[in-house]
Amino acid sequence: EDQVTQSPEALRLQEGESSSLNCSYTVSGLRGLFWYRQDPGKGPEFLFTLYSAGEEKEKERLKATLTKKESFLHITAPKPEDSATYLCAVQAAGGTSYGKLTFGQGTILTVHP
Amino acid sequence: DAGVTQSPTHLIKTRGQHVTLRCSPISGHKSVSWYQQVLGQGPQFIFQYYEKEERGRGNFPDRFSARQFPNYSSELNVNALLLGDSALYLCASSLRTGSTPGANVLTFGAGSRLTVL
Repeated sequence: EDQVTQSPEALRLQEGESSSLNCSYTVSGLRGLFWYRQDPGKGPEFLFTLYSAGEEKEKERLKATLTKKESFLHITAPKPEDSATYLCAVQAAGGTSYGKLTFGQGTILTVHP
Repeated sequence: DAGVTQSPTHLIKTRGQHVTLRCSPISGHKSVSWYQQVLGQGPQFIFQYYEKEERGRGNFPDRFSARQFPNYSSELNVNALLLGDSALYLCASSLRTGSTPGANVLTFGAGSRLTVL
């Protein structure tokens, strides 16, 4: 069974204090690893997809990396508007359901001014 | 361009009742997936439909059913509601289904918040 575990569960940072969120996964074969951001009362917003170990993607203050067992979301010099829940999800290879993602429980990030 | 739209946004039901949730995908998207998100947890996969056919089903009881219409919109039905069905129900659409990178990026709607009393 596919499993995704995110740590820490909650993270409080001061504005400008860089840090990383971790996503550990177990999947029979990885088709893709996804990062989403979710604001309270809203649906998840797509950030990145990573497909193979060693791949990296960047967007503004965020950088996602992937190894064979985990992914990191690095946040450089965060701002209060980066406060949100960050969700990691995996899509397994094989099967016919390309719409199935297995999500972790999320990391709640709070950035204080 | 309109994103994924879901209705209703909020609803309250009592145990044993039935509920229908509706979803309109992004224009041009042919795949729709449904997820359940309980407070404090990540979304959990319920169904995927592509071209009106069920392509995947998560570990949910038969009380949950869905369908996709010729215009690619979809509805999720839940019968005999239980207290534990209280959750945010998310609909997501993608351009198509298949192994092409990017084709499977899910775009989520804002969700339907269901409260069962």
